[in-house]
Order: sequence, then structure tokens, then C-alpha cells
Amino acid sequence: AQTVTQSQPEMSVQEAETVTLSCTYDTSESDYYLFWYKQPPSRQMILVIRQEAYKQQNATENRFSVNFQKAAKSFSLKISDSQLGDAAMYFCAYRPPGSNYKLTFGKGTLLTVNP
Amino acid sequence: DGGITQSPKYLFRKEGQNVTLSCEQNLNHDAMYWYRQDPGQGLRLIYYSQIVNDFQKGDIAEGYSVSREKKESFPLTVTSAQKNPTAFYLCASSIIGLTNTEAFFGQGTRLTVV
Repeated sequence: AQTVTQSQPEMSVQEAETVTLSCTYDTSESDYYLFWYKQPPSRQMILVIRQEAYKQQNATENRFSVNFQKAAKSFSLKISDSQLGDAAMYFCAYRPPGSNYKLTFGKGTLLTVNP
Repeated sequence: DGGITQSPKYLFRKEGQNVTLSCEQNLNHDAMYWYRQDPGQGLRLIYYSQIVNDFQKGDIAEGYSVSREKKESFPLTVTSAQKNPTAFYLCASSIIGLTNTEAFFGQGTRLTVV
């Protein structure tokens, strides 16, 4: 079974600084999909960024970017120019290829942004 | 607006009672999911369905049941067999047939056993 590990239960960053959240996963597949979701205090899950494993180029979305290391099975999220609104729980998620649409989530990292 | 609606937002249940959580989507998504969220545990998959009248158990299906009679609806029943049902429950849906489809989530139901 696939597992997703987020080794940092909590992280903090100063406003305008950069922070990196870690995620590793275990799979025997060669093609799969990875996601980072944000859950603010409202508890609404919001997609931050996605990555296809067959793409070597790291995904970016404005201030959010990933460092995808396929051989190491690592998928970290970098948040640049952190803003107070970035404070939330962040979840890494894995989806296998093909017709199985089951999403597996890590346990999350709580990010605090200090003014 | 298109989206996923979960109701109610808060639900209280007495021990020994079954309770049903509602999830409706108007996104025309084929796949729907139920997750349970506990502090420090992340999201754990209870059940998921990729087509009407078909569903699969997730990682923690014991004590739960679902139905998928309509494409837009995927209700979850928490039965009295569920030993520790107090939790936050999230419903999600996604398109299938495309490569990198994200899951869209409802706003959740907080269930408390009293």
C-alpha cells in the first residue's frame, strides 16, 4: 500500500521569508500524481499545486513551487515571500496511475506565519 | 455555483444510534470520496466510488456504510458499530478519465457523539 510521510508536524516562518515543507512517499509505480493541499482554519481543503511523475520539470504556481526528486521519492513544497494568509495545515497527497483514483494523504504540517 | 455541499455542518449523535451525513455535488464528477480527519492523523479514506451503484472500501471502512444511487449524491452512514465516531468528515469528488485530476472538497461535517 502507498504511504505518504510528512516528517514535520509543525513549522514556522517569518512573513516575507521562504519556507520548505517536506514530503516523502512510498510506491512501486513509475507514473503517478502528487498534490499539495492547504487547509486554513475554515477547514476548507484547497489545492495548492500538482505534479505528474512523468514530468521532470518542477511545478510552480506563483509563490509556490515544488522540488520533485523521483528517485528519492521526495516532493517538497517551497513557499516564497510568505504571507499571513499562508498560515494553514498543509497536506501532501499521492494518487496512483490508471483507473484507480484513490488519494492517499500524509498527516499534515501546521504552518505558522509570524508577522 | 458549482461545488460540493455537505450537511449538516455540525451533528450530534447519541451512542448506539446510526447517523447519515449528506454529500451532494453539482460538478458532474464521476468519483466521490469520504475521508475522516482526526488531530494528528491527516485524512484517512473511508469509502470511495467511481461510478453509480459501485463503491470500494478505503483504509478505515469498518463501522461505516455508503450508497451511490445517483451520480451527484454519496451519503455516508456512521453505524453504531463504529467505536470512535467523533471526528471531522470530509467529502470530495473528482473527474475520472483525465490524467491529473484534483479532488474538490466540501466544507466538512463535525460529528460528535454525546
